Amino acid sequence: DAEITQSPRHKITETGRQVTLACHQTWNHNNMFWYRQDLGHGLRLIHYSYGVHDTNKGEVSDGYSVSRSNTEDLPLTLESAASSQTSVYFCASSALAGIGDTQYFGPGTRLTVL
Amino acid sequence: SQKIEQNSEALNIQEGKTATLTCNYTNYSPAYLQWYRQDPGRGPVFLLLIRENEKEKRKERLKVTFDTTLKQSLFHITASQPADSATYLCALDTGAGGSYIPTFGRGTSLIVHP
Repeated sequence: DAEITQSPRHKITETGRQVTLACHQTWNHNNMFWYRQDLGHGLRLIHYSYGVHDTNKGEVSDGYSVSRSNTEDLPLTLESAASSQTSVYFCASSALAGIGDTQYFGPGTRLTVL
Repeated sequence: SQKIEQNSEALNIQEGKTATLTCNYTNYSPAYLQWYRQDPGRGPVFLLLIRENEKEKRKERLKVTFDTTLKQSLFHITASQPADSATYLCALDTGAGGSYIPTFGRGTSLIVHP
């Protein structure tokens, strides 16, 4: 069965370190997204991609970067981790780029920055 | 500013009753609205989509209504079961700029008591 996976599921790091969260999907979807979820804020869009070599900034992109070298993967990099980036991160993918596009979410990565 | 509002207080109901969750929005003209379910420690899962020109959509025990005049969507679960306990998120998008990326509300927790 097609799926979307994230790794690691839990990560503890220190302020100032570079961290990369992996996202891999086997749906063969063109569109991939990264969200963070915090109490009181819900899901907020960080970055998204509509295809290989395409990346776009979302609502809360400062301090994050992504790259898309193939269809299956969209890694999220925190260049210099800050305590404000402690959150649960969700990757999602979707097939279409049109109205009513359903998103399929991964299980999430809980990141703690000390 | 644009807002999506879902009741932050948990909804507690007895098994067998109908649960009704509310999603209100301001300063949006959504092309569609989606409802997702999220269980603790997991990513959201798509449930239903309703378009701006539709008043009601049903799927098994689920029913969604969409009133663009009131700027409100109601999500109903009939004959609720303890297994329906979860957080329910609404998401909407205008399709402006051709993005079709949904913006999520913070979600409402539903607790169904046996």
